[in-house]
Amino acid sequence: DAKTTQPPSMDCAEGRAANLPCNHSTISGNEYVYWYRQIHSQGPQYIIHGLKNNETNEMASLIITEDRKSSTLILPHATLRDTAVYYCIVSGTYKYIFGTGTRLKVLA
Amino acid sequence: EAGVVQSPRYKIIEKKQPVAFWCNPISGHNTLYWYLQNLGQGPELLIRYENEEAVDDSQLPKDRFSAERLKGVDSTLKIQPAELGDSAVYLCASSSGLANTGELFFGEGSRLTVL
Repeated sequence: DAKTTQPPSMDCAEGRAANLPCNHSTISGNEYVYWYRQIHSQGPQYIIHGLKNNETNEMASLIITEDRKSSTLILPHATLRDTAVYYCIVSGTYKYIFGTGTRLKVLA
Repeated sequence: EAGVVQSPRYKIIEKKQPVAFWCNPISGHNTLYWYLQNLGQGPELLIRYENEEAVDDSQLPKDRFSAERLKGVDSTLKIQPAELGDSAVYLCASSSGLANTGELFFGEGSRLTVL
């Protein structure tokens, strides 16, 4: 499964959009991009996933570049409750490998 | 619908003692995962079950760790004997088993402290 690279930390003002980048330059054709987040002292929570097309759900939007080598998770209106570690995972199988993620801090 | 249930939530033991963690996945989920998470790190896969069969246990330290999933529902992860370096959070997750549906459901984890 392809590896991912994420910035270790980011800050975002409350109410603004949070854009979390992820590089996955070695992704192969059958591998999906998944995003999870982990709020302190809880288990990871699924956010969204996609293959080629951009995806949107009630939590976030996922933008995948045309060459699929990178993606961006967008939280359109960040709240204090969005403060968490965000993990970008690439997988084409049942094996989900978590990196160290991006620690997002939403500031009041 | 109940989520993934893990117990105990916290466990403190002395080194060389045994410890066991229990996981009850979401009803109907065939795939069950055990992950280990060290402080400041992402979860690391220990073992994956499809029903009662361990299909990926390559990362499980088999000298001291064991796991079982009898009847393909609940699962138990055991450490015997525990070492200081085993202090971590042990996470259980389940999924419906459909490839690329993407959603793993995690429990709150069992935090182990080995003294």
